[in-house]
Amino acid sequence: SQTIHQWPATLVQPVGSPLSLECTVEGTSNPNLYWYRQAAGRGLQLLFYSVGIGQISSEVPQNLSASRPQDRQFILSSKKLLLSDSGFYLCAWSGAETQYFGPGTRLLVL
Amino acid sequence: QQQVKQSPQSLIVQKGGISIINCAYENTAFDYFPWYQQFPGKGPALLIAIRPDVSEKKEGRFTISFNKSAKQFSLHIMDSQPGDSATYFCAASKGDYKLSFGAGTTVTVRA
Repeated sequence: SQTIHQWPATLVQPVGSPLSLECTVEGTSNPNLYWYRQAAGRGLQLLFYSVGIGQISSEVPQNLSASRPQDRQFILSSKKLLLSDSGFYLCAWSGAETQYFGPGTRLLVL
Repeated sequence: QQQVKQSPQSLIVQKGGISIINCAYENTAFDYFPWYQQFPGKGPALLIAIRPDVSEKKEGRFTISFNKSAKQFSLHIMDSQPGDSATYFCAASKGDYKLSFGAGTTVTVRA
């Protein structure tokens, strides 16, 4: 069966510091991968998606970037965090239409 | 602009009651409509999904009703239980591997 992992689970970072969130998927090959952000009490905002290694599509202009160095690894990064980057970051994978979400990373930027 | 509009934003129901969440869409190219359930601090989990060639799909106490002509679909939670208290998201896809999500509905089931 397929499993999706995210780490860290929680993170507190100062404004201006770098960020690296990692997502890995097990039990499937060539998945589509997604990064979402969810503000407190709000909906899901798609940030990036990838259909293959090195192929990244950005949905919204922002302070973040994504990379896919391996087939089942997706990384979300920032060089300098902003207060507005705080939120719940979710990674998801899909083989077809259905997306399966990871446990999420809670990021607080102070 | 949000391609899927979801209502209500929140609802409270008594244990044993029926919870109803509605979603509407404009893009007739959408052909896959899933519902997700999210508990606080967790990632959303797929609950049930439907395609437009079916008007209703039932899984346990959860039922999706789909009205293609009205471009609306809804989730009914029968015999609501306190464990159903969560945020529910509807979504739609047109086969391009991206989902358009509704804004979410927070359901509170009172014992």
